[in-house]
Amino acid sequence: AQSVTQLDSHVSVSEGTPVLLRCNYSSSYSPSLFWYVQHPNKGLQLLLKYTSAATLVKGINGFEAEFKKSETSFHLTKPSAHMSDAAEYFCAVSLSGGYNKLIFGAGTRLAVHP
Amino acid sequence: DTGVSQNPRHKITKRGQNVTFRCDPISEHNRLYWYRQTLGQGPEFLTYFQNEAQLEKSRLLSDRFSAERPKGSFSTLEIQRTEQGDSAMYLCASSPSGTAGYGYTFGSGTRLTVV
Repeated sequence: AQSVTQLDSHVSVSEGTPVLLRCNYSSSYSPSLFWYVQHPNKGLQLLLKYTSAATLVKGINGFEAEFKKSETSFHLTKPSAHMSDAAEYFCAVSLSGGYNKLIFGAGTRLAVHP
Repeated sequence: DTGVSQNPRHKITKRGQNVTFRCDPISEHNRLYWYRQTLGQGPEFLTYFQNEAQLEKSRLLSDRFSAERPKGSFSTLEIQRTEQGDSAMYLCASSPSGTAGYGYTFGSGTRLTVV
């Protein structure tokens, strides 16, 4: 069965410092992996996705993530945090070849301090 | 077409009442999904439509819940005899058909409060 574990429920960084949000997945098949961001009272916005092409994936707003099969990880990073990055971030996995059903992690709340 | 539209944005209802939510997907997307998100949790899958056919329902979708997608366009999610535990954000998403790897486009959600 597929599952996603987001290792930190809360992450706090200072503006201008790097961001690391950790995600581990479990999948019996070749997965597709996604990161979404959710601002308060908003829907989810796709940041980036991995679909078995390049293992380093670049997304919007300067975020990127690296797929590491040996570690079953798909951590999200950004070199320099901005105040507007404060939000909830969700990692998700879907089966390759499936109908795109996504399984989400519990989320990581990112706080950015001046 | 500017994205996935959900109405209403907020709904407050008394316990025991019925409520219905509507989702208008991106017009060229033939796949439509409903998810439920409770406070502090990630979205949980409820059900999935391919065109007008409902192809999967989660165990979370009790017999008080019903979803339809007539003519493969908009979708409705109805909850009968609401309970306080139904309070949550109900999210709709759509995607094109094809292999997994397409991210969803989500609507802004309908926040249900049962009092």
